[in-house]
Amino acid sequence: KNQVEQSPQSLIILEGKNCTLQCNYTVSPFSNLRWYKQDTGRGPVSLTIMTFSENTKSNGRYTATLDADTKQSSLHITASQLSDSASYICVVRIENGNKLVFGAGTILRVKS
Amino acid sequence: DAGVTQSPTHLIKTRGQHVTLRCSPISGHKSVSWYQQVLGQGPQFIFQYYEKEERGRGNFPDRFSARQFPNYSSELNVNALLLGDSALYLCASSAVGAANSAYNEQFFGPGTRLTVL
Repeated sequence: KNQVEQSPQSLIILEGKNCTLQCNYTVSPFSNLRWYKQDTGRGPVSLTIMTFSENTKSNGRYTATLDADTKQSSLHITASQLSDSASYICVVRIENGNKLVFGAGTILRVKS
Repeated sequence: DAGVTQSPTHLIKTRGQHVTLRCSPISGHKSVSWYQQVLGQGPQFIFQYYEKEERGRGNFPDRFSARQFPNYSSELNVNALLLGDSALYLCASSAVGAANSAYNEQFFGPGTRLTVL
């Protein structure tokens, strides 16, 4: 069964601290993996997208990693800001298909 | 250039009623996908349309239907509303409909918050 699992479910950190969010997937065949940021009540906004051959990709303070062998990905946020408070969703695309498999998301709250 | 737009922003209906949600894709995008996101969960795929044809359907009952117009905008219709249909309905557009590009990015709209009482 194609699934994407994320951990932790929620996370609270102090402003300025770093954090890492995890994503494990069982999607096959794999096409690409994306991390989205979703503010409350808004649509998801893409942060990074990685294919099978890419191990890491950065977007400002966001750095995503992908281990296609273990089917794991992480999203590292550096020097967190209050505006980073959101839900972070890991999404895996199935090869040769139009389907995206979404994780449930990690809710991040950055406190001052 | 405007992003994906959806209307209405919020909607309150009662059980058994019908609802129509609308989506306008990014200019030049020909594919529109619809997702349902229940509070606390990730989005669930409902439909994808490309060039006015249905290209994918998720595991949703026949009460859910959609269509795409010649200008590539789309409507999602839900009949006989149930309490469980309360959710954020997201529309996403992409340039192409086929999965022949690993970087075929989907851009999401702000969503329509549907509450069924």
